[in-house]
Amino acid sequence: NAGVTQTPKFRVLKTGQSMTLLCAQDMNHEYMYWYRQDPGMGLRLIHYSVGEGTTAKGEVPDGYNVSRLKKQNFLLGLESAAPSQTSVYFCASRSYQASTDTQYFGPGTRLTVL
Amino acid sequence: DAKTTQPTSMDCAEGRAANLPCNHSTISGNEYVYWYRQIHSQGPQYIIHGLKNNETNEMASLIITEDRKSSTLILPHATLRDTAVYYCIGNGGTASKLTFGTGTRLQVTL
Repeated sequence: NAGVTQTPKFRVLKTGQSMTLLCAQDMNHEYMYWYRQDPGMGLRLIHYSVGEGTTAKGEVPDGYNVSRLKKQNFLLGLESAAPSQTSVYFCASRSYQASTDTQYFGPGTRLTVL
Repeated sequence: DAKTTQPTSMDCAEGRAANLPCNHSTISGNEYVYWYRQIHSQGPQYIIHGLKNNETNEMASLIITEDRKSSTLILPHATLRDTAVYYCIGNGGTASKLTFGTGTRLQVTL
């Protein structure tokens, strides 16, 4: 049981390049989330999904796209990277039950856009 | 989701109890109070959550005031490994979109 894993762990892009971050969870959770965290700041929600085939915008969705084709995977895409997207990206998943409504986070992906 | 207010930073001596306060005066009746922590640059880690009653688990205790406008996270015997940023979050939406503020930076010292 690996929990939540993220690929890659580090990445450096040039402005205008594209990339996809992969999040995978093996806990059969319905909900999955993508956050970004800038230095000295809290986490901000980019996009989330409440089930396979569904996605929704969070607090800061511009410049990102997501897909949830399989329940266990949640992909975050950057179509044309900008220096403002330099950040640490965290993925999380959870199972919605009132008594155990907790999010489990991955280790993060550190992205630098030059 | 309720807006929460936490002190920016706190210090605690190792072995002593760390009491981290949180104000959530706008919390609604069905919103839970959640606590997470983030050690260095790792992903946030769930600690505990509660609705009305005080809660305790192997990591911490959560004391919620009767009017539910504030709560306190208690780490009974803080260690150096508890040095982290602690986030208090009010959460009750159907998709439970956790809203992280800047949290409290707890420094545990010898």
